[in-house]
Amino acid sequence: GNSVTQMEGPVTLSEEAFLTINCTYTATGYPSLFWYVQYPGEGLQLLLKATKADDKGSNKGFEATYRKETTSFHLEKGSVQVSDSAVYFCALSGSARQLTFGSGTQLTVLP
Amino acid sequence: NAGVTQTPKFRVLKTGQSMTLLCAQDMNHEYMYWYRQDPGMGLRLIHYSVGEGTTAKGEVPDGYNVSRLKKQNFLLGLESAAPSQTSVYFCASSLGGSSGSYNEQFFGPGTRLTVL
Repeated sequence: GNSVTQMEGPVTLSEEAFLTINCTYTATGYPSLFWYVQYPGEGLQLLLKATKADDKGSNKGFEATYRKETTSFHLEKGSVQVSDSAVYFCALSGSARQLTFGSGTQLTVLP
Repeated sequence: NAGVTQTPKFRVLKTGQSMTLLCAQDMNHEYMYWYRQDPGMGLRLIHYSVGEGTTAKGEVPDGYNVSRLKKQNFLLGLESAAPSQTSVYFCASSLGGSSGSYNEQFFGPGTRLTVL
């Protein structure tokens, strides 16, 4: 079946530091890949997505590239801000447009 | 446009009690989903619906039932609550669409359930 393995957290960075959160997946076929973000006390919001190999999703300074050869979709940001503190989930879409999520990575950015 | 709303926000139950969680969306979405979120495990799909009057099992359906009598509502029921069902429950909805396409899932704010 489908699965998503995410870099374990928590991750603590200083403001303006570079961020990488690793995500690898196992899936049949050609899934779409996503990063969702969950701010404290809220539901999940779609951060970015990529629907085919070599696509790069980007939003709010975050980027991730769909790498089919390494089955990866790592999240990066060049300069994090305190407001980026949240839990980040990697996910893939399977049949019936169901999402399979990774375990989540807690990011804390210190001023 | 409220998006996806969930009722209640918090609930404490005793083992064996029953309850229903209500999810409502005002975006005319075809697909609706119920997930549970547990520490270190991400979100896991409980049940989902691809249209009014339809439901299907997800990854962890045991101990839960659902109904989709109206397109805008998706109810999650616990007939006899157990401590293992202590979790945060999220509802989501999406447009649906043809096979091979994907539409963004929009999530509600969650319901925190504790079973004693």
